[in-house]
Amino acid sequence: SQQGEEDPQALSIQEGENATMNCSYKTSINNLQWYRQNSGRGLVHLILIRSNEREKHSGRLRVTLDTSKKSSSLLITASRAADTASYFCATAQRVGQGAQKLVFGQGTRLTINP
Amino acid sequence: EAGVVQSPRYKIIEKKQPVAFWCNPISGHNTLYWYLQNLGQGPELLIRYENEEAVDDSQLPKDRFSAERLKGVDSTLKIQPAELGDSAVYLCASSSDRGYNEQFFGPGTRLTVL
Repeated sequence: SQQGEEDPQALSIQEGENATMNCSYKTSINNLQWYRQNSGRGLVHLILIRSNEREKHSGRLRVTLDTSKKSSSLLITASRAADTASYFCATAQRVGQGAQKLVFGQGTRLTINP
Repeated sequence: EAGVVQSPRYKIIEKKQPVAFWCNPISGHNTLYWYLQNLGQGPELLIRYENEEAVDDSQLPKDRFSAERLKGVDSTLKIQPAELGDSAVYLCASSSDRGYNEQFFGPGTRLTVL
């Protein structure tokens, strides 16, 4: 079963606009990560935000985390055609032996129109 | 640095046939994961290895699925016999820190069971 719920399931915008995707989860987490998956390819790690952080930036990416609401958002500014992909949030949950595992959401399919 | 390598990239088999997938993680990564990804969904963990030990296989359907990671490097995931519902993408990932930070994914094997 998947923990994360992502919203919207699909998003289509014009090149140059900003894209915002949201992720909600149910249990306590160690960190939350965002991954991108291009069609037919593996997942690529984008950014990680820890449970004691509220906001993080990486290039054109901005991630926020609200642990009280159990939610996160990913903002991509000045979108480009190459940003067309599926975006997944993944919550890191502590498991035995001091390790953690990722539980992925269902993803948001982002399409950037030229 | 080479990424996670998986083979084959595509496999088409008839139901009730056996199939095997191979993964070579990034050099030095002690933790290896196998995920199942259905169309339009996020990856779901099947099994996690710490070196050669399977430390989390609770989601692996053990009646037909098996996995091994001999010598704590390469890993093989097997399905015998395959069923129609096994059609999916099988992703392998690895990490260097027991999963506390990012995971690195291979391109996946797309399995079609006819």
